Amino acid sequence: LAKTTQPISMDSYEGQEVNITCSHNNIATNDYITWYQQFPSQGPRFIIQGYKTKVTNEVASLFIPADRKSSTLSLPRVSLSDTAVYYCLVGLDNYGQNFVFGPGTRLSVLP
Amino acid sequence: DTAVSQTPKYLVTQMGNDKSIKCEQNLGHDTMYWYKQDSKKFLKIMFSYNNKELIINETVPNRFSPKSPDKAHLNLHINSLELGDSAVYFCASSQDTGGNTEAFFGQGTRLTVV
Repeated sequence: LAKTTQPISMDSYEGQEVNITCSHNNIATNDYITWYQQFPSQGPRFIIQGYKTKVTNEVASLFIPADRKSSTLSLPRVSLSDTAVYYCLVGLDNYGQNFVFGPGTRLSVLP
Repeated sequence: DTAVSQTPKYLVTQMGNDKSIKCEQNLGHDTMYWYKQDSKKFLKIMFSYNNKELIINETVPNRFSPKSPDKAHLNLHINSLELGDSAVYFCASSQDTGGNTEAFFGQGTRLTVV
């Protein structure tokens, strides 16, 4: 399992772009990078997934440098409703399990 | 139409009781999971299961057992409940266990043991 490191928390203001970086130095060749979002009292929800370079969807962009040792989730023009915990997931654990979550990054969007 | 549904949403019970939480997915997925999210908000995988293999996180007490009557259901049975079992339990499913698949989560069951 590629160990991931993210900031524990971040603050932002409405309308700003937020970038959350995840470090995964020992990412394996076959590993994908996936981000999930969790609102209070709800289950996590898939945001975006990528393998290399850049991926964009209607919610976010994911930037992955050539060495793939880190990735950055970019949320354009955040609103109060983007306040949530964001998780970066990479690879399988020692039991071959997918979807193993770390502590995540708690994003607070302020008015 | 809810993709992954859990029942009940809230469960309050006394120590020592045995309880079950039900989970159903209508996505046709092959793999289902149970997670525990404690008061510190850490989301820990407990089990992953498909019709071929059950993977158990070694830290899960054997009082917890998954039961799958069919591919669309994975119920969680908990025996001799303890105060420390109080948490939110999430069920999830995915098409397979590959690294490029997506997991879909239920809304969670808040278990309170008194």
